[in-house]
Amino acid sequence: NAGVMQNPRHLVRRRGQEARLRCSPMKGHSHVYWYRQLPEEGLKFMVYLQKENIIDESGMPKERFSAEFPKEGPSILRIQQVVRGDSAAYFCASSPGRETVEAFFGQGTRLTVV
Amino acid sequence: QQPVQSPQAVILREGEDAVINCSSSKALYSVHWYRQKHGEAPVFLMILLKGGEQKGHDKISASFNEKKQQSSLYLTASQLSYSGTYFCGTVSGELDDYKLSFGAGTTVTVRA
Repeated sequence: NAGVMQNPRHLVRRRGQEARLRCSPMKGHSHVYWYRQLPEEGLKFMVYLQKENIIDESGMPKERFSAEFPKEGPSILRIQQVVRGDSAAYFCASSPGRETVEAFFGQGTRLTVV
Repeated sequence: QQPVQSPQAVILREGEDAVINCSSSKALYSVHWYRQKHGEAPVFLMILLKGGEQKGHDKISASFNEKKQQSSLYLTASQLSYSGTYFCGTVSGELDDYKLSFGAGTTVTVRA
């Protein structure tokens, strides 16, 4: 859905660098999901956030990965010291609230680690 | 816990019908269906809430059997534009479990 904005669309990082992926939800949406998708595979849940709060981070690797959704500004997925295995498409989706209604996806960020 | 989708792939000729199934080992609060075309973002099709309702979107409809913890997506009189990978997403009815988890997807190819 054009309303959920992710940037950058493509990101190339060398091994060991940091990757910062941004997601601006649709207007009026206060909840954000992050998913990772490898080529020809499904959407793997990473983290579910609302503004200033992590609701569920059970899918997030314990090391190197972190996510935040501040009161002002976009949600950020941060990957430190990237490795080749982090190469994937990262999608965020936003929804209006916890009582689940429709969630709409952004266009994704394609991360390539070289 | 991810839902399980079947079949993994289906090939249709234009005008044919298909059913995609989604099942969960947990009680479900809601089921969401999306379609993703290659290299693009998943696109929302419909959401079904517990209560056994059925919904439709053009010639694509879905049902939700809360007791069986299953949902089915029906592609009727398929069109070329229906090609893509269909994902079901589920939110469990369990306490404090609000995350939307997706199945592995069903790849649908519609041929002329």
